[in-house]
Amino acid sequence: GESVGLHLPTLSVQEGDNSIINCAYSNSASDYFIWYKQESGKGPQFIIDIRSNMDKRQGQRVTVLLNKTVKHLSLQIAATQPGDSAVYFCAEIWSGANSKLTFGKGITLSVRP
Amino acid sequence: DAGVTQSPTHLIKTRGQQVTLRCSPKSGHDTVSWYQQALGQGPQFIFQYYEEEERQRGNFPDRFSGHQFPNYSSELNVNALLLGDSALYLCASSLVYGGAFLHFGNGTRLTVT
Repeated sequence: GESVGLHLPTLSVQEGDNSIINCAYSNSASDYFIWYKQESGKGPQFIIDIRSNMDKRQGQRVTVLLNKTVKHLSLQIAATQPGDSAVYFCAEIWSGANSKLTFGKGITLSVRP
Repeated sequence: DAGVTQSPTHLIKTRGQQVTLRCSPKSGHDTVSWYQQALGQGPQFIFQYYEEEERQRGNFPDRFSGHQFPNYSSELNVNALLLGDSALYLCASSLVYGGAFLHFGNGTRLTVT
């Protein structure tokens, strides 16, 4: 079946460094992608999204890159802070699904002081 | 402006019992989706309610059922609980024409013993 997956289960970075979290997706029909952050004991929190007609989108300290050729998505966090420590999920939707998100397994980002 | 609220926050049940989880959507939202998140996994779509009807359903057995009320709040019911039903149950709300922009609650942690 179609799925969204992540390459690495954990990522440890030094405070102040940039973080890059990668994600592979397999449904070529997906046309909308979202990154979520989930802190312990909380629900997923929207970070940034990108549509399939774009290859890059920037937010505050975060950038999402989309490479449709290789079905790859990445989240870049600039100047990583301790508050960025969380589990990060990429999720995909194709237009016909109307809010039916398919999530990957998640990657844990740990920020070292 | 209250976000998505879920109750209870934690619940312990015995195998074979039935459970009801509750969700109040974010103010102004009319669509509620339920997700199951097993430990260390990404959320899995259960079903979505709009106008008091189930509109979409994921790959979950009929033991999982739901309801949406005229005030847009929703319930998730699980019958004949299995140990494998232990998970974090997340409710997310959206505007049906708002696409994939979901607001998640902090979930109900269900433990089945």
